[in-house]
Amino acid sequence: DAMVIQNPRYQVTQFGKPVTLSCSQTLNHNVMYWYQQKSSQAPKLLFHYYDKDFNNEADTPDNFQSRRPNTSFCFLDIRSPGLGDAAMYLCATSRAGGPYEQYFGPGTRLTVT
Amino acid sequence: GESVGLHLPTLSVQEGDNSIINCAYSNSASDYFIWYKQESGKGPQFIIDIRSNMDKRQGQRVTVLLNKTVKHLSLQIAATQPGDSAVYFCAENQGSGNTGKLIFGQGTTLQVKP
Repeated sequence: DAMVIQNPRYQVTQFGKPVTLSCSQTLNHNVMYWYQQKSSQAPKLLFHYYDKDFNNEADTPDNFQSRRPNTSFCFLDIRSPGLGDAAMYLCATSRAGGPYEQYFGPGTRLTVT
Repeated sequence: GESVGLHLPTLSVQEGDNSIINCAYSNSASDYFIWYKQESGKGPQFIIDIRSNMDKRQGQRVTVLLNKTVKHLSLQIAATQPGDSAVYFCAENQGSGNTGKLIFGQGTTLQVKP
């Protein structure tokens, strides 16, 4: 059974056209993370939520925003995608109070044309 | 800066042999480490974790060793199978408080020859 679900699995957007990626979880975890993974590179943390408390990484571009309307859902908004934003975007969740294992979704592959 | 890195980008082993994947980390204060397996086009999959108060942990066909003296982590896979072919990442927790912050190493590609 899928525990961390990402939609869509593949997304194509045009240069400069806003795009939203979604993540949902059935684990009821307090913490949700967004990572960016470029080809042949390691995942890189963009930001995370602890409940509704948003935590941005210092080097995450302003072009990336996130929303978490409830425990189960989290969205990644890219306001003006550039060619350099083409990547796999991974959502992960974990329990709070850890550190604990992070459970990853299958990812959304974003292509910018 | 602080980072987690892997020694070799690619490891090729014969089916049935044991595999050892290494990882070096630089933050001596890190308290938690995870190994993930990532197959092409998929998200990372948890393999095994270890906390800094341990030096060894075993799972099914996998063992993680932690040497805090030299800041080294390794993943041993026994009787490697074709299904083990993937990229393996070590990750180091640099978070504090209630949330984790994983810093991933660059990854080692494991190729299993039949």
